[in-house]
Amino acid sequence: GDSVTQMEGPVTLSEEAFLTINCTYTATGYPSLFWYVQYPGEGLQLLLKAMKADDKGSNKGFEATYRKETTSFHLEKGSVQVSDSAVYFCALSRQGGSEKLVFGKGTKLTVNP
Amino acid sequence: DTAVSQTPKYLVTQMGNDKSIKCEQNLGHDTMYWYKQDSKKFLKIMFSYNNKELIINETVPNRFSPKSPDKAHLNLHINSLELGDSAVYFCASSRGQGDQPQHFGDGTRLSIL
Repeated sequence: GDSVTQMEGPVTLSEEAFLTINCTYTATGYPSLFWYVQYPGEGLQLLLKAMKADDKGSNKGFEATYRKETTSFHLEKGSVQVSDSAVYFCALSRQGGSEKLVFGKGTKLTVNP
Repeated sequence: DTAVSQTPKYLVTQMGNDKSIKCEQNLGHDTMYWYKQDSKKFLKIMFSYNNKELIINETVPNRFSPKSPDKAHLNLHINSLELGDSAVYFCASSRGQGDQPQHFGDGTRLSIL
């Protein structure tokens, strides 16, 4: 079945450091890919998405590129802030097929001042 | 102007009781979901409804029964609560197909004593 694998956390960085959170997926066909973020005590919010190979999703300084050849969708940010501290989830869904999102296990990011 | 709202936010109850969680969305979406997030933050879909019809029913004990009185509401009723039901339950909604972003509520933290 479909699955998403994220790098194990927690990740702790200093403010203005570079962030990478790795995500790889296994799926038949051509899934859509997402990054969701969960701030403490809140629900998940969509951070960015990519619908097809080589698409780049970007939002709030975060970027991720859909790489079909490596089945990856790594999340990056050039300079993190304390307010970026949250849990980040990589997810996929089938286009035009099943309605469900398949999530990775989440990566907790803590940014220290 | 809350998009997806769940009630209650916290639910503390004893083993064996029956409880319900309500969810409403005002986004005009036609698909709604229930997810369970365990203590390790792992998110897994439980149910999905499209236009009041059940379309996804993962391997969930039949003590859990979703009910969708209309497109804007998806409630979750749980019978004979068990210790393992302790988790955060998230409601979400989307517009149709699986590649559309899902909007999440803030979650209901269920604690079984």
